[in-house]
This record gives sequence, structure tokens and C-alpha cells, in this order.
Amino acid sequence: NAGVTQTPKFQVLKTGQSMTLQCAQDMNHNSMYWYRQDPGMGLRLIYYSASEGTTDKGEVPNGYNVSRLNKREFSLRLESAAPSQTSVYFCASNRPQLAGHLLEYYGYTFGSGTRLTVV
Amino acid sequence: GIQVEQSPPDLILQEGANSTLRCNFSDSVNNLQWFHQNPWGQLINLFYIPSGTKQNGRLSATTVATERYSLLYISSSQTTDSGVYFCAVPTQGGSEKLVFGKGTKLTVNP
Repeated sequence: NAGVTQTPKFQVLKTGQSMTLQCAQDMNHNSMYWYRQDPGMGLRLIYYSASEGTTDKGEVPNGYNVSRLNKREFSLRLESAAPSQTSVYFCASNRPQLAGHLLEYYGYTFGSGTRLTVV
Repeated sequence: GIQVEQSPPDLILQEGANSTLRCNFSDSVNNLQWFHQNPWGQLINLFYIPSGTKQNGRLSATTVATERYSLLYISSSQTTDSGVYFCAVPTQGGSEKLVFGKGTKLTVNP
């Protein structure tokens, strides 16, 4: 099925361990995003990539790195996990639509999430 | 940065009831989106509604951009409507980076 695929779905890490969350989309979208969701906090943007080869920081980038490997794949890396990074992580993709002279971003598609616990 | 506030934080309904969820935002925006997160965590885009009113089945949304709020109406609610409803706006004009509200958790009981 077309969509956004995230792996793994669940992960437990010890403080200081590293790991990479994988995300791939098959909708030929240019833009991809990583969000984290904490209880009662809504979603907060970690990093995003407007196109292959470009990445930019979001609201909460500290402690994370990203790689836009190609148009399909956007990975999120935790180099030294901390308990504060316990969260549910969502990858999303989007394709801007030109409306007159403006680019509009709707039609977000989210992955099913990765539940990460750092102990 | 722009602030997004949603109300109420929690809402419990009996099946068949109607409800209105509200989203207030602190600055002018050129688009607003509503999302639904089901109890299993999946997020679905419901509406892209920079202004005016849109309807999709039992759901409709209205954004009054000049007064900086949006409303999501759910009519004849069903248990499958349960979950968390988020509104989100761009961090700045034309931006693809979204700021989400904290959500309204809706529980529809049979």
C-alpha cells in the first residue's frame, strides 16, 4: 500500500545508546518531516527536509540528526539517547501544491509511529 | 512564535450527539489544518481550511481567519470518531513547518 513506512514500531534503549529510526515514502513527495509526540504536548517538529539533499531544524532538534538519503527515505538518528527522548516519533511526507503564486502544504501523510523508551 | 490553543481538552459524548471543537491561534495564518489521531495512534489529515467552511460527511470545519479561530463540528457522533483531534498552523506565512495544538481528546460511548 502507498504511504509512509516507519521502522521499528517499538524500541527500548539504554541511556547513551544510539539508534536510527527509518522512514520511507512511496508517494513521490518532496517534503518529509520528523515529529515527536509527548503526552499532553501535541506534535512538535524535530527536523524536516524540503527536498532531497536539504534538511532544516524544527522546534526541538537538540539531540537528533537526520539524513535525507534520497527522495524516498528520511532517517532520524539519536547519537546518545537520553530519558528525555522517550516519546512517540512520527514521520510524515507532503507535496506542495501551487495555488496561484503561493505554495500550499496540505495532504500530509503520517507513518504509524515509533514508540521509543529510553531507560 | 505562534501559539495554538484547543478547547476543550477532553470531551465525552454519547453516540449520536453533536460536538464543536475549537482552535484559537495567536497570529495571522494563511492556512489551518485539522487532524484526527485514532486510538491506535494513526494520524489522518481531515481538513485544510485557511478560511470559510468545508464539509466532509458528518464533519465540517469553519475558519474565521480575521478572528483567529477555527471550529470543527462533528454531527451524529459515532464510536469510530473517538481519538484526539489536532489543529495545526504554519510557523510563519507560507511555511510548511506546522505548529500543533495540544489536541482535544474525544471519547464517544455506545
